[in-house]
Amino acid sequence: NAGVTQTPKFRILKIGQSMTLQCTQDMNHNYMYWYRQDPGMGLKLIYYSVGAGITDKGEVPNGYNVSRSTTEDFPLRLELAAPSQTSVYFCASSLSDTQYFGPGTRLTVL
Amino acid sequence: QKEVEQDPGPLSVPEGAIVSLNCTYSNSAFQYFMWYRQYSRKGPELLMYTYSSGNKEDGRFTAQVDKSSKYISLFIRDSQPSDSATYLCAMSESGNTPLVFGKGTRLSVIA
Repeated sequence: NAGVTQTPKFRILKIGQSMTLQCTQDMNHNYMYWYRQDPGMGLKLIYYSVGAGITDKGEVPNGYNVSRSTTEDFPLRLELAAPSQTSVYFCASSLSDTQYFGPGTRLTVL
Repeated sequence: QKEVEQDPGPLSVPEGAIVSLNCTYSNSAFQYFMWYRQYSRKGPELLMYTYSSGNKEDGRFTAQVDKSSKYISLFIRDSQPSDSATYLCAMSESGNTPLVFGKGTRLSVIA
């Protein structure tokens, strides 16, 4: 099993550009999550999903969108990139109480 | 008051020392308590998991939860340079509700 995979690993965007961060898990987990991690600030929840077709906002959803059309995939969309979205983004999945994290996407918006 | 408070450090200890990492929280509904370890430029990985109050031991690691004081701890015995990482506490109200993370404590174990 590959676990949770994320692409790309790194990306530089210009202000106003859009992009999709991809997340895939092969563990058949129902629950999936997107977090952002800023230096010294821990992990903040952006969006989460309890199953295909169901998504919900987390603590910091503004400027982001998600979809969950399959159990395996949970893409995160940035429509109009802003410098405040410069961060490291982690996707996670869980079956019950243990969350498994991907390796992260390091995003810089200039 | 933030929901979960964790001293960000950095904490630097000599090899072989006993390390104590702590978090306090304000939400009395939290029932699930976890410690994640995060190496530089990697994703967090689950280190210890405790449900409700009590202690749990796994090798050199011991997790303690005191719900009456809203205080959790992670102890590392005989610390090794390979323990150098950021340690994040996390907690939730039920098994699949989103986790609330502390800011993380950066630990360096010096050989």
